Amino acid sequence: EVQLVETGGGLIQTGGSLRLSCAASGFTISNNYMNWVRQAPGKGLECVSVIFSDGSTYYADSVKGRFSVSRDKSRNRLYLQMNSLRAEDTAVYFCARLLGWSFDLWGRGTLVTVSS
Amino acid sequence: DIVMTQIPLSSPVTLGQPASISCRSSQSLVHSDGNTYLSWLQQRPGQPPRLLIYKISNRFSGVPDRFSGSGAGTDFTLRISRVEAEDVGVYYCTQTTQFPWTFGQGTKVEIK
Repeated sequence: EVQLVETGGGLIQTGGSLRLSCAASGFTISNNYMNWVRQAPGKGLECVSVIFSDGSTYYADSVKGRFSVSRDKSRNRLYLQMNSLRAEDTAVYFCARLLGWSFDLWGRGTLVTVSS
Repeated sequence: DIVMTQIPLSSPVTLGQPASISCRSSQSLVHSDGNTYLSWLQQRPGQPPRLLIYKISNRFSGVPDRFSGSGAGTDFTLRISRVEAEDVGVYYCTQTTQFPWTFGQGTKVEIK
């Protein structure tokens, strides 16, 4: 079955760090364009990062310099390293595949809560 | 960044009646390759988003044919021909023509 499963969320203090993981099955992450999209409680969607199949990465201005996306080919996993976390980073973080330039596959998300 | 604006933000609909959502982008979504990367997502309560329509008007696998998309350039529309109970949720337009990919604010479809 083709699916994405995110883990690693939790409660973290302001200024702390957290690493999210996204495990893929049924396809190869490194051959695809993979994204992290977040959704603050009761709010809309925001794409915070993308990693293309050639390894190039892009970040939203809101997380640039604090978040880093990477992937592990051997484990077929995507990661999001989040540093210097702020209250406004509180959200459900989804891993999503961009195929044919459309978000065709989503995980169920993992909740990150940043609190002082 | 390309701003996506949806109208309305809330749409109470009677079962079996049509619904329509408009999405306008702050600049043209025509990519240099000639395609327009405008999609529509559905998010049911407590669920992750799900792809409904891609490249303006193409229904994704498994999407009922009561959903249709249209538009060009900067103006796009999602239509549901006859709303069913399972269509309740929030609908987002999204553009992937230019990074950062951006989303509309979401339109909540609910049953009257």
